[in-house]
Amino acid sequence: GIQVEQSPPDLILQEGANSTLRCNFSDSVNNLQWFHQNPWGQLINLFYIPSGTKQNGRLSATTVATERYSLLYISSSQTTDSGVYFCAVGNTDKLIFGTGTRLQVFP
Amino acid sequence: GAGVSQSPSNKVTEKGKDVELRCDPISGHTALYWYRQSLGQGLEFLIYFQGNSAPDKSGLPSDRFSAERTGGSVSTLTIQRTQQEDSAVYLCASSLPPNYGYTFGSGTRLTVV
Repeated sequence: GIQVEQSPPDLILQEGANSTLRCNFSDSVNNLQWFHQNPWGQLINLFYIPSGTKQNGRLSATTVATERYSLLYISSSQTTDSGVYFCAVGNTDKLIFGTGTRLQVFP
Repeated sequence: GAGVSQSPSNKVTEKGKDVELRCDPISGHTALYWYRQSLGQGLEFLIYFQGNSAPDKSGLPSDRFSAERTGGSVSTLTIQRTQQEDSAVYLCASSLPPNYGYTFGSGTRLTVV
């Protein structure tokens, strides 16, 4: 099956810093999504991005499908950005989730 | 509804009992997914529905697990003869393929004692 690797596994930032999270995957996919799981456990969909670049406020994402990776950029981080960021990849039926990047943002 | 609704939010059950977990997806979403997340872990795929049919049941851990979906809407995940290793948060998501992301519910935290 498809393998999904996320890096780094843990990230500690001071408020205002920028960061880049990476997702590598092992096979061709037509579905890639990024999620944020907040400290209360709720999963929020950030991007549906099987290819190309999207931006939403301080967050942006880029997927290079031919090279099998995706990047999530967080600019001017805030304490509310803390939590776990998951990349999930797959095809039309199901997504396989990576193990996540745990982000802690301190004031 | 406005979001994906799961019930109960918490369930404590004795080992060996059966439990039913319910998921009410966003109205009009044709696809529905069940995942589980053990403490501090990632998400494990269980089963996927397109309409009322389940083309992919490959993630169900054992024959104690079953799921159904009726009317293209509500889904129920049933775990028979629960074991302690079944303790986890069970998450449901819905989507409108092919170009829309998943929306997750808040999950059901199952504890088997």
